[in-house]
Amino acid sequence: QSALTQPRSVSGSPGQSVAISCTGTSSDVGAYNYVSWYQQHPGKAPKLMIYDVTKRPSGVPDRFSGSKSGNTASLTISGLQAEDEADYYCNSHAGTYTYVVFGGGTKLTVL
Amino acid sequence: QHQLQESGPGLVKSSGTLSLTCSVSGGSISIQNYYWGWVRQPPGKELEYIGSMYYSGATYYNPSLRSRVTLAVDTSKNQFSLELSSMTAADTAIYYCTRHVFQYAFDIWGQGTTVAVPS
Repeated sequence: QSALTQPRSVSGSPGQSVAISCTGTSSDVGAYNYVSWYQQHPGKAPKLMIYDVTKRPSGVPDRFSGSKSGNTASLTISGLQAEDEADYYCNSHAGTYTYVVFGGGTKLTVL
Repeated sequence: QHQLQESGPGLVKSSGTLSLTCSVSGGSISIQNYYWGWVRQPPGKELEYIGSMYYSGATYYNPSLRSRVTLAVDTSKNQFSLELSSMTAADTAIYYCTRHVFQYAFDIWGQGTTVAVPS
């Protein structure tokens, strides 16, 4: 069982918006504004899409946005495109013993 | 911009020790504010943090793997390395070397290297 809980799968049609949740505890997601999101296409390394809950690295489209409320963080993808179909993972800083925890991943299908 | 490349054996015997090296190009490994780490992904499963280190030698380990992991950095070769002992089939995974900041945002990844432990 993963430390952070994500839905196994989500889906949406091109142009629509989807949200992926990432639920942790008061020791990780709820304690720090250090949640990141990664996109992973089959056979590829993960790619950082969001860090520090809401920040986008250079080159990541502004269709990708992040938020957090309490112990749950969310990644929202608006204006879905076919190339957004991938697995998405969240992680969170988890203190000075565990350091970092990952979610179990969510498969996004673009219908 | 740093680029990372893993190297090491694709097959490790059960109870043996895995040794992987990550070569860093495009910049010095001895740079402030960045940490150098390892993340693995068993087939069809989620990402798992193994550990990371700062160029100064400070190390940080996943508590569940701490007893089996050794990390090292060689600033003269611009490389860092991972040793994982007492390997079992459960350690079969793609192993990625990564760069991250204090907040554990892993912003640069190697292409990954597949390691199998026959059962």
